[in-house]
Amino acid sequence: DIQMTQSPSSLSASVGDRVTITCRASQGIRNWLAWYQQKPEKAPKSLIYAASSLQSGVPSRFSGSGSGTNFTLTISSLQPEDFATYYCQQYNSYPRTFGGGTKVEIK
Amino acid sequence: QVQLVQSGAEVKKPGASVKVSCKASGYSFSNYGITWVRQAPGQGLEWMGWISTSYGHTNYAQNLQDRLTLTTDTSTSTAYMELRSLRSDDTAVYYCARDRATSVDSWGRGTLVTVSS
Repeated sequence: DIQMTQSPSSLSASVGDRVTITCRASQGIRNWLAWYQQKPEKAPKSLIYAASSLQSGVPSRFSGSGSGTNFTLTISSLQPEDFATYYCQQYNSYPRTFGGGTKVEIK
Repeated sequence: QVQLVQSGAEVKKPGASVKVSCKASGYSFSNYGITWVRQAPGQGLEWMGWISTSYGHTNYAQNLQDRLTLTTDTSTSTAYMELRSLRSDDTAVYYCARDRATSVDSWGRGTLVTVSS
């Protein structure tokens, strides 16, 4: 199975900050990576697919990059509604493993 | 708009089975797969499996494949997740999601399954 490792596991940031979350795959997954946002007691929300393509309706302050084994999710200017936990997931092969999550908290 | 409406919360005893439904609307059901994901209390997301709604092909997480069955009913645009021989560590919120092969793009609200004696 492909292991997905996210870092950091948590971070504190202020509104307006630029935030970067990293996801590393244990083997190459080309660009088959998705990112999700989850707020407490809510279902996840899909943000990005194919490493860098925004899902419909997702604000442009979110961006994704990377290929192979190293990927990043960047929030260019953190907004109050962005405080949440973020997960990456590989779509290269089954099982479609998730990273452990990165919790973005208010500083 | 795309909607995935899941069945209500369940409480089960260890050793029992649970079957969660996920009714899709707002799109052509057979054009997308359905993925199931669960989340234990305070934990991250765990991929459980996927089903092709057009052909019924499935793929299961290895740690669940002996106890998990995914099915669909195309006549009602409904997907089902059945988990057998429940244990306390199966207590979780179970999500269905529309799978477009590059990611899931729409999620159900989740179904809490509690396993307790």
